[in-house]
Amino acid sequence: DAGITQSPRHKVTETGTPVTLRCHQTENHRYMYWYRQDPGHGLRLIHYSYGVKDTDKGEVSDGYSVSRSKTEDFLLTLESATSSQTSVYFCAISERVAGDQETQYFGPGTRLLVL
Amino acid sequence: DQQVKQNSPSLSVQEGRISILNCDYTNSMFDYFLWYKKYPAEGPTFLISISSIKDKNEDGRFTVFLNKSAKHLSLHIVPSQPGDSAVYFCAASARGNSGYALNFGKGTSLLVTP
Repeated sequence: DAGITQSPRHKVTETGTPVTLRCHQTENHRYMYWYRQDPGHGLRLIHYSYGVKDTDKGEVSDGYSVSRSKTEDFLLTLESATSSQTSVYFCAISERVAGDQETQYFGPGTRLLVL
Repeated sequence: DQQVKQNSPSLSVQEGRISILNCDYTNSMFDYFLWYKKYPAEGPTFLISISSIKDKNEDGRFTVFLNKSAKHLSLHIVPSQPGDSAVYFCAASARGNSGYALNFGKGTSLLVTP
């Protein structure tokens, strides 16, 4: 258990409203990630963070922003939700293993429905 | 373009037999490969990994084989158990690329029947 929690676990919202998802970790990991999972696509990287206030874009970052003001929290914001952002969102942390390889561990996910 | 491909969306195996899940990749910069197992309504769970300097890694019933020249890896589960029924994702990363972010395949749904 990598000590990752996500909130909320489920959310239904309407098109055009802002939504913020929270990822919280308890083990002081440097790297944190947000992915989305959609049928037929596997998991795709939205944004990642390599430290407090240090973030960068991933493959599918359009329409999303992130913030990391504390090591333990990584927030994902949909400024104006669209139906195409209906998805399951997973947060992950990475942990250094042998050599310089990092293995990622995932939270339980947030299921978001945009009507 | 999908850099990690799992061409079999599903696989059905009898309990006690071997399950073989396959994965192909196109990016020669990938140097670390992982398999995750996912149950419905849960996050992916790390299963096993392999560095590009190895060709095999074993952990209990799970073995991952890497063929770099073919850009192919496979996960063997022996013996398969009903509790292994899940979606299995292959993932790969390149050192220093997007903070070690993972590129995922689309997943293979494994069903182990009694």
